[in-house]
Amino acid sequence: KNQVEQSPQSLIILEGKNCTLQCNYTVSPFSNLRWYKQDTGRGPVSLTIMTFSENTKSNGRYTATLDADTKQSSLHITASQLSDSASYICVVSRYSGGGADGLTFGKGTHLIIQP
Amino acid sequence: GAVVSQHPSRVICKSGTSVKIECRSLDFQATTMFWYRQFPKQSLMLMATSNEGSKATYEQGVEKDKFLINHASLTLSTLTVTSAHPEDSSFYICSARAITGGRLSGELFFGEGSRLTVL
Repeated sequence: KNQVEQSPQSLIILEGKNCTLQCNYTVSPFSNLRWYKQDTGRGPVSLTIMTFSENTKSNGRYTATLDADTKQSSLHITASQLSDSASYICVVSRYSGGGADGLTFGKGTHLIIQP
Repeated sequence: GAVVSQHPSRVICKSGTSVKIECRSLDFQATTMFWYRQFPKQSLMLMATSNEGSKATYEQGVEKDKFLINHASLTLSTLTVTSAHPEDSSFYICSARAITGGRLSGELFFGEGSRLTVL
């Protein structure tokens, strides 16, 4: 069964600190992995998209890593800001050759940055 | 950058009425759009895949007569919740995959979501 598991479920850190969110998946055959940021009551916004051959990708203070062998990904946030408070969703795409999108969504990590 | 717009962002309706939600890709064409439903603190659940010019493909357990999808153009898909009931209250989100040079670019853009409350 194609699954995406994220941890922790929720996280509270102080402003300025770093944190790392985890994503483990069993989706196969693997196509790509995306990290999205979703503010409360808003739609998800893409942070990174990584294919099989990519190990690391950065977007400002966000750095995603991918280990396709162990089927694990992480999202590292550096020097957190209050605006980073949001849910972070890991989405893994299964190669489907067209038709259905083949996406499996994680339940997200709810991150709270405290001043 | 590419933007997907949803309208309305919030809607409150009485039980038994129908509600239409629009999803538009503003600066790119999308032959395929996707509709999701999200309950509080839960992940997005794919409801259906909307294909321009053809019938939508619904996920198992989603009533196609309850959630009518129309994808009349390359930039617009609509979701109509028919005879809405309180249990239909949820956050509905659409997404679209950009086409570049006639090929899917891989980038998936989400709308801002529509909060439906059925009284």
